[in-house]
Amino acid sequence: EAQVTQNPRYLITVTGKKLTVTCSQNMNHEYMSWYRQDPGLGLRQIYYSMNVEVTDKGDVPEGYKVSRKEKRNFPLILESPSPNQTSLYFCASSDLNSPLHFGNGTRLTVT
Amino acid sequence: DAKTTQPTSMDCAEGRAANLPCNHSTISGNEYVYWYRQIHSQGPQYIIHGLKNNETNEMASLIITEDRKSSTLILPHATLRDTAVYYCIVRVGGDSWGKLQFGAGTQVVVTP
Repeated sequence: EAQVTQNPRYLITVTGKKLTVTCSQNMNHEYMSWYRQDPGLGLRQIYYSMNVEVTDKGDVPEGYKVSRKEKRNFPLILESPSPNQTSLYFCASSDLNSPLHFGNGTRLTVT
Repeated sequence: DAKTTQPTSMDCAEGRAANLPCNHSTISGNEYVYWYRQIHSQGPQYIIHGLKNNETNEMASLIITEDRKSSTLILPHATLRDTAVYYCIVRVGGDSWGKLQFGAGTQVVVTP
């Protein structure tokens, strides 16, 4: 089954403790991206990747890192999480000019 | 990138057609219009997309004005399961299509 898999689904952590949210897709898509969703603000793009070893900033990249060492994986890294990064996170992938496929989301709470 | 504007919310009676407008007045010639919906806090789901012509699939129809400055998503027979937030976005075709802006979307509530 074609899918985008995010892990974990839920994560509670403390300020400053490094964490990684994984994202994997099995559709051989070139494009992958990360979004955060906060009440009333819709989806805001954090980072995106057009292909392996190619990443670019979205609208809200501060405080986040990503890597794209292989086509199927696009992890989101928070080196030093802060409470304002408490949010619902989505990973998505697609081919050129094709619809996005989204993961089921990761709800992160930073205390 | 072009931005889109949508109404914040709208209600629709079950069984009736739901017409969701979207303005994208600064759209460029190579930008596609995409529609997604999000039920509760699930991952957004693709509905339909188009460039110039009207499109129809098993979920909905997309009507794009001739000047491409606005579009309408039509859910022909709304059901309670269509209650969701609907997002209209524009996406550049070709090489510069990575950066996307979703906006806040339209909260659609389908009532019995």
